[in-house]
Amino acid sequence: AQKVTQAQTEISVVEKEDVTLDCVYETRDTTYYLFWYKQPPSGELVFLIRRNSFDEQNEISGRYSWNFQKSTSSFNFTITASQVVDSAVYFCALSVRVTSYDKVIFGPGTSLSVIP
Amino acid sequence: EAGVTQFPSHSVIEKGQTVTLRCDPISGHDNLYWYRRVMGKEIKFLLHFVKESKQDESGMPNNRFLAERTGGTYSTLKVQPAELEDSGVYFCASSPAGGRGGYTFGSGTRLTVV
Repeated sequence: AQKVTQAQTEISVVEKEDVTLDCVYETRDTTYYLFWYKQPPSGELVFLIRRNSFDEQNEISGRYSWNFQKSTSSFNFTITASQVVDSAVYFCALSVRVTSYDKVIFGPGTSLSVIP
Repeated sequence: EAGVTQFPSHSVIEKGQTVTLRCDPISGHDNLYWYRRVMGKEIKFLLHFVKESKQDESGMPNNRFLAERTGGTYSTLKVQPAELEDSGVYFCASSPAGGRGGYTFGSGTRLTVV
């Protein structure tokens, strides 16, 4: 079965705190892709990162960092020194092969509120 | 290259009316997908086109929803008649034939049914 779990439904932090959003996925595929998207209150989906299953290097982009661990099927996302503009719903997603095309499966999302 | 374009960006309609959402995929992308996020819930798959053919429409909620992709270019998603529970954000995405690594998403259409 293909599944993405984001156990944290809602998180509130005070501005400048660090926060980690958890993502656990399930797939039997050996080749797959993992994503994080942000959906701000305005509604659009903002692409944050894509990682393929063969690349376990962690990545840092400004205040954002991602920790991919195949051994635990996790792809966690950390925001350092959070800001009010980080308030949004964050979705972890898994892309797997279905016959001849990719299908993206989203987790339920984590709603992050950053309080000034 | 131009991204995936969706319009309108917002639509407010009354219950019982009809609304048509449009998606222009990236030029040359055979695969086109519709997803939606309603009532603050998770993002759910609706359907998938390969060119003009419906490859997978398992996520379409009911027969009030009709998707078309004439000529394998842009796609429309019609809701008729709209119900309150259809309110949400509808996303379109596209990917090239045989491509791996997910899709490119549009900015979405926020639909509000009142």
